[in-house]
Formats: sequence, structure tokens, C-alpha cells
Amino acid sequence: QKEVEQNSGPLSVPEGAIASLNCTYSDRGSQSFFWYRQYSGKSPELIMFIYSNGDKEDGRFTAQLNKASQYVSLLIRDSQPSDSATYLCAVTPFSGGYNKLIFGAGTRLAVHP
Amino acid sequence: GAVVSQHPSWVICKSGTSVKIECRSLDFQATTMFWYRQFPKQSLMLMATSNEGSKATYEQGVEKDKFLINHASLTLSTLTVTSAHPEDSSFYICSAGRDRGSNEQFFGPGTRLTVL
Repeated sequence: QKEVEQNSGPLSVPEGAIASLNCTYSDRGSQSFFWYRQYSGKSPELIMFIYSNGDKEDGRFTAQLNKASQYVSLLIRDSQPSDSATYLCAVTPFSGGYNKLIFGAGTRLAVHP
Repeated sequence: GAVVSQHPSWVICKSGTSVKIECRSLDFQATTMFWYRQFPKQSLMLMATSNEGSKATYEQGVEKDKFLINHASLTLSTLTVTSAHPEDSSFYICSAGRDRGSNEQFFGPGTRLTVL
């Protein structure tokens, strides 16, 4: 079983719709959860992180965390063509200090006009 | 703030040669830096964790004698791919942690290595 699993996609949504990206993780001790966006040929850029159960909103993005279900998701409201990219879910096993990020394989999102 | 640079951005080399990639934190001190490798259409795989002033910690399956990591200062870590072969061709990305107590990492722009 992979440590962090994501549907590879592509997830195709029309412009203006809500895109929902999902991620599950196997290590129940995971503490920190990150969503990165990666454009083709570029390095990842952080969208947001979440530590506590529930929702966290930042602009058009909402991260949702359910530790009991070992599930984290990212919602993108009012999707734009510029949101088309691969979205990487990453987790760290412990809180505090610097710990390695374990990445999922990523979900490719395509927003069409 | 929290800008990380890498040099070079791309490099082409002959099989058997060594290549050095630099990773710098430009506006903060990074006691820990991370080196990742990404093959086409695959996710980032952590190669090693680089700690300033001490030996790097390599992930399982990564040859430490082939991928030499030096973290000589709080703003610079280097990755040297020794005796590179075509299968080492990949996108190498470094990241750095800024705030102890936070797991947030800031990524460099990456270095694309092509070994002929």
C-alpha cells in the first residue's frame, strides 16, 4: 500500500466549477498535511497546509482534513484555466522540527473554458 | 521571503562525468535542506535530508557514494551526481525549511539533468 494515494486523473472540470481533489494516507500518526501545485516542468509551489481536523479556507481554496478516515481533500472554487496543473498531496509523520514530506503521485487537473 | 534558488537550472553532461547542483536559501537560514528527484509523470521522491554541519541522511535505495551531499553553510547545500549515467537523467529539486516547529518546506526551481 502506498503511503499517500491520489487519483492520477485527469480530473476535467469546466471553468467556474468546483474542483475536488482527494488524498488518503496510510500512516495514522501523520500530523501535517500539505497541498502543492506543480505546473509541467516546474517545481511544486505550496497552496496551503492543514494540521487540524476540519476545514481551512484560503481564498478560492479549502482544505479539509479527517484524521479518523485518514483523508485530506482540496476544493478549488471558481476554477480557472490557470488552475490546470498537477496537485500534489504531501504528509509529514510527526509534528515539529523538520520532517520529510511524503508525496502522493499527484492528480492532474484540467480546467476547460 | 523564503526564496530558494538552484543552479544550474539545466545541465547536459556525458556519461561518466560528475555534476554538481547548488541549492541556496536567499533570504533565510536553513538548517535543513531536502533533495528530491522526479522522473517524468512521477511524483517527487525524497533522496536525502541535508543538515548543516553533519552528514546527510539518505533514503533507502539511494546510493550515498553516488549522490554526494554537502551542507557547508546555513544557506547552501550541494548535490553532486558522480559518474552520471543516462538513468540518472531526472529533475532534481531541493527544498529548505525556514521555521523550526513548522514542517513547511520551500522549494527551489529545480535542475533538469540530462546525461547522454
